[in-house]
Amino acid sequence: DVKVTQSSRYLVKRTGEKVFLECVQDMDHENMFWYRQDPGLGLRLIYFSYDVKMKEKGDIPEGYSVSREKKERFSLILESASTNQTSMYLCASYYRVDEQFFGPGTRLTVL
Amino acid sequence: AQKITQTQPGMFVQEKEAVTLDCTYDTSDPSYGLFWYKQPSSGEMIFLIYQGSYDQQNATEGRYSLNFQKARKSANLVISASQLGDSAMYFCAMREGRLTGGGNKLTFGTGTQLKVEL
Repeated sequence: DVKVTQSSRYLVKRTGEKVFLECVQDMDHENMFWYRQDPGLGLRLIYFSYDVKMKEKGDIPEGYSVSREKKERFSLILESASTNQTSMYLCASYYRVDEQFFGPGTRLTVL
Repeated sequence: AQKITQTQPGMFVQEKEAVTLDCTYDTSDPSYGLFWYKQPSSGEMIFLIYQGSYDQQNATEGRYSLNFQKARKSANLVISASQLGDSAMYFCAMREGRLTGGGNKLTFGTGTQLKVEL
């Protein structure tokens, strides 16, 4: 059974803090993604990675960066958290794109 | 232009009835795929069904079927015999380009909140 895990289900941070969201998958997938989900906007792609140390910007990369030092782990970094980054963050991975697997999500609140 | 459009923000259906959730898409790529995901209140995204652009038949998975009308660029999800547990947010999504390889991302619609009533 494929597992995509995220480090926290709920997270509360203060404005200006540096925030790390971790995603780990156990199926040796090359492709990993970070999405954010907001009501009325669906899921929007922040960044993705198709190999170790490789990263590509998605549709809304501003205010975020990513790190992929190992194949199984893809980290999303908020360098200086702001209140407009309060959202649900979803990580996904796949080998074939018709088999995307999602993590349980991290609900981030920035105060 | 929106690549994926879901025009129904909310839907109600009675238990045991069928319901159709609408999805239209926009792409000029001849190779693409359409997905439906279910998201219960717990937040996890559950894959329901997939239709490739070259698939000759409409996809079916148990009580879920995808009504794929290529000329109209629509990929509606039909849920037969609705159950209370079907109450959730439903997302339509599209991938464009080749099936394998790197960077094949999904574009999502805004979702439809389905509520199944007794």
